[in-house]
Amino acid sequence: GENVEQHPSTLSVQEGDSAVIKCTYSDSASNYFPWYKQELGKRPQLIIDIRSNVGEKKDQRIAVTLNKTAKHFSLHITETQPEDSAVYFCAASQDSSASKIIFGSGTRLSIRP
Amino acid sequence: EPEVTQTPSHQVTQMGQEVILRCVPISNHLYFYWYRQILGQKVEFLVSFYNNEISEKSEIFDDQFSVERPDGSNFTLKIRSTKLEDSAMYFCASSELGLAGAGELFFGEGSRLTVL
Repeated sequence: GENVEQHPSTLSVQEGDSAVIKCTYSDSASNYFPWYKQELGKRPQLIIDIRSNVGEKKDQRIAVTLNKTAKHFSLHITETQPEDSAVYFCAASQDSSASKIIFGSGTRLSIRP
Repeated sequence: EPEVTQTPSHQVTQMGQEVILRCVPISNHLYFYWYRQILGQKVEFLVSFYNNEISEKSEIFDDQFSVERPDGSNFTLKIRSTKLEDSAMYFCASSELGLAGAGELFFGEGSRLTVL
């Protein structure tokens, strides 16, 4: 089955700097890669996703890149703000109707004022 | 904005007791899921459900677990005889189209289960 590895487990950046979180996946059949943000005690919420037919997707300060050959994908947050502090999970899934999403182990991002 | 709702928000139970966690998915969604998250760990898949039957389940989802959609709105997770290691946050999720149809997964707020 699919296995998703995520690094780093914790990340501290100065407010205004960029943050990068990297993930690798094992199943070459996976073709949907969402990223979730989870604030303390809250539900995971989708912040951006990418499908395998594109290599990059951007939404304001957040971008995701995908390298299918190397089976890795990354989340980039630019101009970080205090409200970006949370745990971020990458995930992977196959493109079938009821397919499950497999999550990475999470990255705790802290933004230093 | 429609939301997935879950009850109870927190349940404390004795080991060996049965627990039912309830979820009301978003009304036009067709795909339903249960995930769990042990404190400080990642979100783990338990089971997916579509067209009134289980689509897929993980190794965690053993004979102690069952799911049901007893009516048109509720989706329940039952744990027959709880163990200490079942203590976790349980998230229900739903999706309109399924992932193949570009369906986003919407999570509920979670039900925290504490087994003593």
